[in-house]
Amino acid sequence: NAGVTQTPKFRVLKTGQSMTLLCAQDMNHEYMYWYRQDPGMGLRLIHYSVGEGTTAKGEVPDGYNVSRLKKQNFLLGLESAAPSQTSVYFCASSYSRAPSTDTQYFGPGTRLTVL
Amino acid sequence: AQSVTQLDSQVPVFEEAPVELRCNYSSSVSVYLFWYVQYPNQGLQLLLKYLSGSTLVESINGFEAEFNKSQTSFHLRKPSVHISDTAEYFCAVSESAGNTGKLIFGQGTTLQVKP
Repeated sequence: NAGVTQTPKFRVLKTGQSMTLLCAQDMNHEYMYWYRQDPGMGLRLIHYSVGEGTTAKGEVPDGYNVSRLKKQNFLLGLESAAPSQTSVYFCASSYSRAPSTDTQYFGPGTRLTVL
Repeated sequence: AQSVTQLDSQVPVFEEAPVELRCNYSSSVSVYLFWYVQYPNQGLQLLLKYLSGSTLVESINGFEAEFNKSQTSFHLRKPSVHISDTAEYFCAVSESAGNTGKLIFGQGTTLQVKP
């Protein structure tokens, strides 16, 4: 099993450009999450999904959109990138038998720089 | 609202010395508690978690954490650290009554093990 994979690993954007980050998991997990990691702030939840076709806002959703058209994929979109979105983005998934107690499995991250 | 505070941003320690990484949380409801570890250039992985029962939980690589409800703490300890323990450690909580699995993370503590 590959676990959780993220594409791309690195990206540099100019202000105003758009892009999509792809997260894929092969563990048949129901729940998927997008976090951003910034120095001194830990990880903050952007959006999450509790199943195929569903999405919900997390702690810092502004400026991002997501889609979960297939169970194994969770896409994070930036429509008009801003320098404040420079960050490392992590995707995670969990099985969901008991979401609050489940272990979340993280991808390797995408390092995004917005100039 | 829940919050997590990790009191030390960096903890330098010599190899084979003991270490304690501190974590305090604030919540008006019951929570589950987690420690995740992030090795350099990798995603996060679960180290240990407290769900119920014995307040002392252990990981397979010698770390332990004790849940203290009265002090709302979940400090992580290891009696003798190795160079390979150098990493960033994150404390996190999830709401026990929730069904989303959302995690609230602390700011992270960088453990630097010196030879």
